[in-house]
Amino acid sequence: AQTVTQSQPEMSVQEAETVTLSCTYDTSESDYYLFWYKQPPSRQMILVIRQEAYKQQNATENRFSVNFQKAAKSFSLKISDSQLGDAAMYFCAYREFGNEKLTFGTGTRLTIIP
Amino acid sequence: EAGVVQSPRYKIIEKKQPVAFWCNPISGHNTLYWYLQNLGQGPELLIRYENEEAVDDSQLPKDRFSAERLKGVDSTLKIQPAELGDSAVYLCASSLSATPSTDTQYFGPGTRLTVL
Repeated sequence: AQTVTQSQPEMSVQEAETVTLSCTYDTSESDYYLFWYKQPPSRQMILVIRQEAYKQQNATENRFSVNFQKAAKSFSLKISDSQLGDAAMYFCAYREFGNEKLTFGTGTRLTIIP
Repeated sequence: EAGVVQSPRYKIIEKKQPVAFWCNPISGHNTLYWYLQNLGQGPELLIRYENEEAVDDSQLPKDRFSAERLKGVDSTLKIQPAELGDSAVYLCASSLSATPSTDTQYFGPGTRLTVL
């Protein structure tokens, strides 16, 4: 079974600085998708960024970028120029190609220090 | 465009009572998901619908949980009777379809259930 591990329960970063959240996963599949979701106190999960495993190029969305290391099964999220609105729980998620089921990690709580 | 709507946002009940949660997906989204999120954990899939059909309910505890999606739009998740361990957030999500270009899941704000 696929598992997703987030080893950092909590992280903090100074406003305007850069922070990296870690995620590793375990799968025997070669085709899959990886996601980072943000969950603010309002509880609504918001998609931050998505990576297709067949793409070698790391995905980027404005201040958010990933470091996807397929051989190492690692998928970290880098947030540049951190803003107060970035404070939230961040969940890494995995989805196998052709299967709609998302498998989530346990999350990392990110605090932004003004 | 309206997002995924869920109600109620909060529900407090006593154990052994029934409870129901309602979800209205984004207009035109054929796929609907119900997730359970325990405190300090990531969401776990309970059931997935493709239109009216439940295509994956392997994680749904069928002895007390039931769900329906009549007419392939709104969905209701029910627990009867509720137990203390059911206290959690119940999230609903929807996606346009199963094709890779349109399968992003959009989540609602969830219902926080407290069972006393």
